[in-house]
Amino acid sequence: DPKIIQKPKYLVAVTGSEKILICEQYLGHNAMYWYRQSAKKPLEFMFSYSYQKLMDNQTASSRFQPQSSKKNHLDLQITALKPDDSATYFCASSQAWGGDTQYFGPGTRLLVL
Amino acid sequence: GMPVEQNPPALSLYEGADSGLRCNFSTTMKSVQWFQQNHRGRLITLFYLAQGTKENGRLKSTFNSKERYSTLHIKDAQLEDSGTYFCAAEALSGSWQLIFGSGTQLTVMP
Repeated sequence: DPKIIQKPKYLVAVTGSEKILICEQYLGHNAMYWYRQSAKKPLEFMFSYSYQKLMDNQTASSRFQPQSSKKNHLDLQITALKPDDSATYFCASSQAWGGDTQYFGPGTRLLVL
Repeated sequence: GMPVEQNPPALSLYEGADSGLRCNFSTTMKSVQWFQQNHRGRLITLFYLAQGTKENGRLKSTFNSKERYSTLHIKDAQLEDSGTYFCAAEALSGSWQLIFGSGTQLTVMP
């Protein structure tokens, strides 16, 4: 019974297109996060939200836009996709923002051709 | 250097053996988490520590903020322990983002 759902599991996109990665958590947590895992880099923090408010953004590019329609949702819109965006994108959540255990979703593996 | 350095990069053990993984931090960290990434790519949370030591079954982790390191000990390794282990720390200054190490790829052999 998955508590953090990420959709889709796999995604293939063409360069220049736009995609939305979905994340929903059913842990009752108030904070949500996005991380990226590329082939040759450690997992990288992207965004954090607390009570649907953006708390931290470490993503240099404005092509990445998180969207929170509900407290337990944090989607990630990526525009003008590039091959370098190919990575696995993980959503995570924690009860409180900061100083708390973060739990990760299964990830969305994105391939940009 | 990297804020979170993880050693060793790879480790092979026979079933039943004990071993330890280590993370060194370039600066004082608020807390550390340890994860196992399994063969499906799933990140499984093992421990969260703000200080001290925690144990869970065959796993034990220690975090020493002052000395800037954390360790993960695996006792009586099993085949299902194979995977990549990551430590991730929250820096004392700045936001609550997790800064990940580059991982230790553990292979447990029969």
